[in-house]
Amino acid sequence: SQKIEQNSEALNIQEGKTATLTCNYTNYSPAYLQWYRQDPGRGPVFLLLIRENEKEKRKERLKVTFDTTLKQSLFHITASQPADSATYLCALAPLTGGGNKLTFGTGTQLKVEL
Amino acid sequence: EPEVTQTPSHQVTQMGQEVILRCVPISNHLYFYWYRQILGQKVEFLVSFYNNEISEKSEIFDDQFSVERPDGSNFTLKIRSTKLEDSAMYFCASSPLTSGPTYEQYFGPGTRLTVT
Repeated sequence: SQKIEQNSEALNIQEGKTATLTCNYTNYSPAYLQWYRQDPGRGPVFLLLIRENEKEKRKERLKVTFDTTLKQSLFHITASQPADSATYLCALAPLTGGGNKLTFGTGTQLKVEL
Repeated sequence: EPEVTQTPSHQVTQMGQEVILRCVPISNHLYFYWYRQILGQKVEFLVSFYNNEISEKSEIFDDQFSVERPDGSNFTLKIRSTKLEDSAMYFCASSPLTSGPTYEQYFGPGTRLTVT
């Protein structure tokens, strides 16, 4: 069955450092991989989307890589700030059909400390 | 900035009752979705809706559930005969249709459903 794995343990880092979160998947051939941010009691907020033929995508302090051979995506936040503290979700979407269904990972909680 | 809205923010109901969760998607969006998140678990897809019909539904979305777009702005999820295990946060989402498929989805703040 399809499986998406993210670090279940919380990631604690110091302000100003780079946070790196991992998303691994099995039994899936996604066309798109997305990263969302979720704050407690709130809905996911879209951050970045990367397509299967793209290796890297950047947006401000965020960077995503996508390795379809390793079946892995890395999500980086550079110069991290306490305001970046949240749970980050990886989500996969198929190429065709599927009604744009997103399959989410369990998320990794990031805590940026002063 | 346009956003997805959902009402109510919290719904408490007794087991066996019917509930209707309401959503107003972003106005120029054409794909609509419902997801749910049981406390402490991952966000799970329920159903997607396009052109006034269901595009895809998950195994969770059985005959107990139905969706409707009763007018040009609202999108509803009806849960009949609620069970304790239906307690969860329910998220509505929408996405635009552009020249190519756009898969980023915009989520609402959620409705917390508590079944007692």
